[in-house]
Amino acid sequence: QVHLQESGPGLVKPSQALSLTCTVSGGSISGPDFYWTWVRQPPGKGLELIGFTYYNGNTYYNPSLASRVSIPVDMSRNQFSLRLTSVTAADTGVYFCARATRDFSSHWDFWGQGIPVTVSS
Amino acid sequence: DIQLTQPPPSLSASVGDTVIISCRASQTITTSLNWYQQKPGKAPHLLIYAASTLQSGVSSRFSGSGSGTDFTLTISSLQPEDYATYYCQQSYSAPFTFGPGTTVDIK
Repeated sequence: QVHLQESGPGLVKPSQALSLTCTVSGGSISGPDFYWTWVRQPPGKGLELIGFTYYNGNTYYNPSLASRVSIPVDMSRNQFSLRLTSVTAADTGVYFCARATRDFSSHWDFWGQGIPVTVSS
Repeated sequence: DIQLTQPPPSLSASVGDTVIISCRASQTITTSLNWYQQKPGKAPHLLIYAASTLQSGVSSRFSGSGSGTDFTLTISSLQPEDYATYYCQQSYSAPFTFGPGTTVDIK
């Protein structure tokens, strides 16, 4: 059973960078079959894909966030991370890491529990 | 980006009812449509993928149908644990957008 766990600070000041890490257990992130993704959810609102990485280090970022986001991967630690720069209050929400299958109909089958992040001075 | 709509935003139903939740895409997405259940304070949980394939371990009370632009999630014999928000998601083209969700609450 794959398990994902987010970690990082729950409070970030405006204009600073948000950095989170997702630790994966029960499966390797170095295989070709999955995307490793970040999804966020503002308070009381719906879900938004931030972006994803996969085994060869390639990445995809949502165009709405692409200028501020990076998703590096650390194969040796079976972790991937999220870095979001120049944050504002609009970046407040719960951040989930999740695994998605890489096939004809990709689907997000395992999720972390989510980590709440507040942007405030 | 492909937009997904899920009217209505909420609906009320009783235990034992059959509930049908709709999702419409702004352009054809063939059958690249997933359904998730989310309860307050929890992560989304995959129910259905590829429009109609039941995820392993999910109750057979859940079923999905549709193709192209119109999709439905059906919950047969609604149970107390089914009160939640349901999101559709398209995986036809990035950025793999989600619908706004439909909340099923107690009638």
